[in-house]
Amino acid sequence: DTGVSQDPRHKITKRGQNVTFRCDPISEHNRLYWYRQTLGQGPEFLTYFQNEAQLEKSRLLSDRFSAERPKGSFSTLEIQRTEQGDSAMYLCASSTYRAGGYTFGSGTRLTVV
Amino acid sequence: DQQVKQNSPSLSVQEGRISILNCDYTNSMFDYFLWYKKYPAEGPTFLISISSIKDKNEDGRFTVFLNKSAKHLSLHIVPSQPGDSAVYFCAANLGNEKLTFGTGTRLTIIP
Repeated sequence: DTGVSQDPRHKITKRGQNVTFRCDPISEHNRLYWYRQTLGQGPEFLTYFQNEAQLEKSRLLSDRFSAERPKGSFSTLEIQRTEQGDSAMYLCASSTYRAGGYTFGSGTRLTVV
Repeated sequence: DQQVKQNSPSLSVQEGRISILNCDYTNSMFDYFLWYKKYPAEGPTFLISISSIKDKNEDGRFTVFLNKSAKHLSLHIVPSQPGDSAVYFCAANLGNEKLTFGTGTRLTIIP
């Protein structure tokens, strides 16, 4: 078990481009979460999956953001028409039970130029 | 609206002494609290948690205290070690799947 893996670790993109991030959770974890962290802030909740079902979305997740978890395994987070305000660390986490001791990945740092 | 607050951005403690990190919250409906530790270029790592029905939970060198009347929790690390130098986040849960995090406290252990 290698923990939660996120790819890529870093992404620099031009404003207006689309980007997609991938998260591979711990295999036996049925819960998967996406959070976003900006400089000087704590992680902020974006969305939650239980198996393949997306059960909760934050109002932070605008129409430009979409997340999927096909077959309840890995997950992708896509941001369309990126804006400079999207620059942040995007963290994925997984768990086997509610809000308990998530295991976080190392994150994908997005820079929009 | 910052429902979970960590008012000290940084804290320096001598090695071997006690480190006390503080966290305040505003929502009395939070029923579960957690502390995470984060090293640079890594994701947060779960440290310890406490249910709102308890006032203390201990795990090795780490103890979390919860004062519900004051809406305050603290993390005690004793003795502090150089490897404890990191950013510590307090988080709270409302009984759903979402964690609300504070802004973090950077702890530096001085050898």
